[in-house]
Amino acid sequence: GNSVTQMEGPVTLSEEAFLTINCTYTATGYPSLFWYVQYPGEGLQLLLKATKADDKGSNKGFEATYRKETTSFHLEKGSVQVSDSAVYFCALSDNGGFKTIFGAGTRLFVKA
Amino acid sequence: GAGVSQSPRYKVTKRGQDVALRCDPISGHVSLYWYRQALGQGPEFLTYFNYEAQQDKSGLPNDRFSAERPEGSISTLTIQRTEQRDSAMYRCASSLGASGPQETQYFGPGTRLLVL
Repeated sequence: GNSVTQMEGPVTLSEEAFLTINCTYTATGYPSLFWYVQYPGEGLQLLLKATKADDKGSNKGFEATYRKETTSFHLEKGSVQVSDSAVYFCALSDNGGFKTIFGAGTRLFVKA
Repeated sequence: GAGVSQSPRYKVTKRGQDVALRCDPISGHVSLYWYRQALGQGPEFLTYFNYEAQQDKSGLPNDRFSAERPEGSISTLTIQRTEQRDSAMYRCASSLGASGPQETQYFGPGTRLLVL
């Protein structure tokens, strides 16, 4: 079945450091891929998405590229801020159905 | 405008009791999803509604779990004869159209259920 694997956290970085959170997936067909973010005390919100191979999703300085050849959708940001501290979830949806499959989440701490 | 709301935010119940969790989606949103999230894990799909039609309930873990959305707006997730393993965060999400989960889903704050 479909699944998502993302790097375990927590990830601790200093402000202005480069961020990579790895995400790989297993799916049949051509899923859409997402990154969701959960800030402390809040619900999940969509950060970015990509719906087909080689698409790049971007938002708030974060980017991720849909790589079908490596079945990956790694999240990157060039310079993190303290306000980026949150839990990040990689997810995929089967375009033929109604389910979104989430990874376990990666907690990011950014120190000033 | 108002986002997705859920009530109660916290629910403590004793094993064997029934609980009803409510989700109020964003006004006009056609699609509604229920998820369960264990501590340290990502949300796990439970069920999906397109207006009042429950089009996918394959994620409901057993027949103690049921959900309804009778008028195509507010939804209720009911857990009968609760067990300790039902303790989790229950999240609701809605999206504007019915094109499937590739549409942006807007999540509510969740209901944290603790079964003693």
